[in-house]
Amino acid sequence: DQQVKQNSPSLSVQEGRISILNCDYTNSMFDYFLWYKKYPAEGPTFLISISSIKDKNEDGRFTVFLNKSAKHLSLHIVPSQPGDSAVYFCAASAVRQGAQKLVFGQGTRLTINP
Amino acid sequence: EAGVAQSPRYKIIEKRQSVAFWCNPISGHATLYWYQQILGQGPKLLIQFQNNGVVDDSQLPKDRFSAERLKGVDSTLKIQPAKLEDSAVYLCASSSRGSTAYEQYFGPGTRLTVT
Repeated sequence: DQQVKQNSPSLSVQEGRISILNCDYTNSMFDYFLWYKKYPAEGPTFLISISSIKDKNEDGRFTVFLNKSAKHLSLHIVPSQPGDSAVYFCAASAVRQGAQKLVFGQGTRLTINP
Repeated sequence: EAGVAQSPRYKIIEKRQSVAFWCNPISGHATLYWYQQILGQGPKLLIQFQNNGVVDDSQLPKDRFSAERLKGVDSTLKIQPAKLEDSAVYLCASSSRGSTAYEQYFGPGTRLTVT
């Protein structure tokens, strides 16, 4: 079963505008939510996270919002820059079998157009 | 600080052959993960080690996949025999003892093509 879903495979945004990437989850036991960024031929790199007890976390141009009642989170990038073009993965963290583990969404390919 | 190293970066094999991947985590990181990422999907955890011991291998296809982490440092992941559906990128990640999951550092991955 797909516990973390990113329903938009791709997103195209004009440089300087806001990029909004969305993610839905089904398991209310997740305690942390994370966004990873991945460039071609590289491994994912951690971008920003949010605890399940918060509804917003901001780090420079990146803000993550969490709506627990809707089981939905989003990543806002403003202003968008060409270097932000990458695949973005939403991930959720939970303790299973005594160990913390991540469940990833399918990813959204973000393209920033000059 | 050196990152997570993986080799080879690319591998092409025929079905029913065997293949092995190697990972060297960040120095001092006690936890090591192997993920499988199929094209168009997110990474899926195959196995998690804490030092030498296996913490979680619930999603590892044990009839064909095996992994070991000798001396709590390097790790190898083996597939024998390979199937067409094993074509994917195999990612290794590591984290330090006691850290939460988001402190995972990923290597560049090994792209496996099974023909």
